[in-house]
Amino acid sequence: DQQVKQNSPSLSVQEGRISILNCDYTNSMFDYFLWYKKYPAEGPTFLISISSIKDKNEDGRFTVFLNKSAKHLSLHIVPSQPGDSAVYFCAASFRINAGGTSYGKLTFGQGTILTVHP
Amino acid sequence: KAGVTQTPRYLIKTRGQQVTLSCSPISGHRSVSWYQQTPGQGLQFLFEYFSETQRNKGNFPGRFSGRQFSNSRSEMNVSTLELGDSALYLCASSLGYADTQYFGPGTRLTVL
Repeated sequence: DQQVKQNSPSLSVQEGRISILNCDYTNSMFDYFLWYKKYPAEGPTFLISISSIKDKNEDGRFTVFLNKSAKHLSLHIVPSQPGDSAVYFCAASFRINAGGTSYGKLTFGQGTILTVHP
Repeated sequence: KAGVTQTPRYLIKTRGQQVTLSCSPISGHRSVSWYQQTPGQGLQFLFEYFSETQRNKGNFPGRFSGRQFSNSRSEMNVSTLELGDSALYLCASSLGYADTQYFGPGTRLTVL
């Protein structure tokens, strides 16, 4: 049962344009969502997060949108740069203790490979 | 502030052996979580420790275990290694269980 899904395995974008990465989730108990960027053989690097009480969070070129009714979130990167080329993972967690099974557990999507062409 | 560090970075073992991986969290972080990344299964949660106590465990066999020390450093151990245990093992730390997790570079384990 995959509770967090990234349905696009890859995305190719021209430098300077917008990159939009999508993520869907099924567990309505999730209340905190994060995006990580990952290069091969390295650990994920935290990019941006959003709490379920918000529908948008911005940090520089990165904006995350959350649509709770659709159980959907997206990451917008504007403008895209070649250095943004990496695998992007969305992750979800419970900030409210859901009976102990929530502690320290992030549930990840399968990742989307973003390639930004010069 | 130094980030999360993991040692060793690379490890090669043979089936049946055991292995211990180490993780030092960001200074002041008390929660340490471990994840396994494989091409087929993606990033899977192993377990989480806080104040030397395991508070949560993922769906992995008992061969996977861990512990946390009083300085928040953590170790994970895999006994009786199988070929399928070949993976990138990632450690992440956070202030508390509900805070953003920051990952280390990982330990690449190869089981032959």
